Amino acid sequence: DAKTTQPNSMESNEEEPVHLPCNHSTISGTDYIHWYRQLPSQGPEYVIHGLTSNVNNRMASLAIAEDRKSSTLILHRATLRDAAVYYCILRDIILTGGGNKLTFGTGTQLKVEL
Amino acid sequence: DTAVSQTPKYLVTQMGNDKSIKCEQNLGHDTMYWYKQDSKKFLKIMFSYNNKELIINETVPNRFSPKSPDKAHLNLHINSLELGDSAVYFCASTTGVGGANVLTFGAGSRLTVL
Repeated sequence: DAKTTQPNSMESNEEEPVHLPCNHSTISGTDYIHWYRQLPSQGPEYVIHGLTSNVNNRMASLAIAEDRKSSTLILHRATLRDAAVYYCILRDIILTGGGNKLTFGTGTQLKVEL
Repeated sequence: DTAVSQTPKYLVTQMGNDKSIKCEQNLGHDTMYWYKQDSKKFLKIMFSYNNKELIINETVPNRFSPKSPDKAHLNLHINSLELGDSAVYFCASTTGVGGANVLTFGAGSRLTVL
């Protein structure tokens, strides 16, 4: 799997938008960009994923750069419940017998303050 | 309804003992995983099964033996427990092996070896 780079931590105020960046300069044309998050004492939770176009769902938006070498997860209005570690992960659309494993990096610890 | 359930949630045991962690999913998925999260919070894949067949085995000691009696269950048995086995173990599931498919994780099983 291609490597991603994320800031170790970010801070935000409640009710403010949050932009979590991810660099993936070695991304291949067949890599999906996935975002998961892990709330304290819980298992990882799927947030959003995309290939080339920007994506929106009820949790967040994913903005993908035109060259696909970076992406940004956008939380439109952060709440205290959004405090978590956010992981940006690349997964190849064409998979071999190794299956579709998720390879987690260190992620970004998001702190949300009142 | 719990989608991916793991038991037990907490497990405290002595070195040298043998223990098992069970995982069940009611999502109709055909691929299941075990991940290990160590004290530094790094999440690492251990095993993956697709339709009861082992497809990923990530350099895990032989003391760890996964068993999948059917595609809704993936259990993890650990022999001769060591201090370094202390971690949180997460079970996950998905359908198929495509790169766009998302994983659903359980809440985790915290194993403490004394």
